[in-house]
Amino acid sequence: GAGVSQSPSNKVTEKGKDVELRCDPISGHTALYWYRQSLGQGLEFLIYFQGNSAPDKSGLPSDRFSAERTGGSVSTLTIQRTQQEDSAVYLCASSLMDRGTGELFFGEGSRLTVL
Amino acid sequence: RKEVEQDPGPFNVPEGATVAFNCTYSNSASQSFFWYRQDCRKEPKLLMSVYSSGNEDGRFTAQLNRASQYISLLIRDSKLSDSATYLCVLTGGGNKLTFGTGTQLKVEL
Repeated sequence: GAGVSQSPSNKVTEKGKDVELRCDPISGHTALYWYRQSLGQGLEFLIYFQGNSAPDKSGLPSDRFSAERTGGSVSTLTIQRTQQEDSAVYLCASSLMDRGTGELFFGEGSRLTVL
Repeated sequence: RKEVEQDPGPFNVPEGATVAFNCTYSNSASQSFFWYRQDCRKEPKLLMSVYSSGNEDGRFTAQLNRASQYISLLIRDSKLSDSATYLCVLTGGGNKLTFGTGTQLKVEL
């Protein structure tokens, strides 16, 4: 497809389990972002990948959260030992930042529910 | 001070009204500014960029005031379909985009 693809679209897990969320950005987009959004709240920045540069991990809320981007394309966000407060929609976005347009294209998100 | 601040609203306006939102930012080095729109339970989408000289796109006008560090969005002749959350977005260092928490607009009959 032409857009940003995220999977799974919905994930229900038990407290303490690990989860992996996947993002397939638009082909050729060098910038990739992960945000999360709790119900009725704004977007919380998690991590930012730009080309081959070291990722900006300043938004990761704890060391239970990690992300990688393989081959400059697909990204995986991993949450270890999930907690109930991790429940949110996790949004991935990509951009052709070298054009300076700043337009982010978002996926539809992965809705995580931790019981 | 938060990097980006917006009044969460909601702004309840009748159809046909003119409504304006402001967004203040703390990083004077911010270079690029945007307004995004997010419909309920949907992903955000770019509404318009904000240029230093101000810019218009149909019923929407965006302004940037660097001296006072705020941007604004004006919507004229509001439509029911304009009901959404409007997110202020800007770049900090290294092209990273930072989102405000959004202003909710409800246009009513």
